[in-house]
Amino acid sequence: RKEVEQDPGPFNVPEGATVAFNCTYSNSASQSFFWYRQDCRKEPKLLMSVYSSGNEDGRFTAQLNRASQYISLLIRDSKLSDSATYLCVVIPFGTNAGKSTFGDGTTLTVKP
Amino acid sequence: DGGITQSPKYLFRKEGQNVTLSCEQNLNHDAMYWYRQDPGQGLRLIYYSQIVNDFQKGDIAEGYSVSREKKESFPLTVTSAQKNPTAFYLCASSMGTQNYGYTFGSGTRLTVV
Repeated sequence: RKEVEQDPGPFNVPEGATVAFNCTYSNSASQSFFWYRQDCRKEPKLLMSVYSSGNEDGRFTAQLNRASQYISLLIRDSKLSDSATYLCVVIPFGTNAGKSTFGDGTTLTVKP
Repeated sequence: DGGITQSPKYLFRKEGQNVTLSCEQNLNHDAMYWYRQDPGQGLRLIYYSQIVNDFQKGDIAEGYSVSREKKESFPLTVTSAQKNPTAFYLCASSMGTQNYGYTFGSGTRLTVV
């Protein structure tokens, strides 16, 4: 079993739809969590951090569920420009903090 | 403008050659990382460095080497021992290893010819 797992998709949704992705992790000693967006053949770009209390940035909401060991990303009112691959990353506590683990990504295509 | 620069953008390597990928940042970040990405897959950690003159192996360090002689620079050498080096290589930096997001360079595409 992979340390970090994402549903690869693809998720094909119409403009204006709400879509949610989950990312599960196996290492309970995980401290920091982030979502990144990666466009085709480009570098990943930080989308948002994920906090236990949940956090929102415009149309995007991220949640962390430590008990069930998953994080989620919700996108409301999808735009064509949201089409991309979304990567989650999990960073462990302590001396292994440099050993981040990325999921393989979830591909989203938003259609007119 | 602060950022992280990788060069070259494209690199072609002959069998048996060592090649070095450059990564420079002017963000004053302490930590730097190298990842490899294969088509349709996520990023896999090759090496990381939390401070100057120190670095640690990631999950797929075999066939690679790094140095961290300066805070700004973290070059990656792909040696001839790496049997399948064709991939997209990404360098990243962060203020620290915990609770900070990463800034990525634009990557180097390495192809073995």
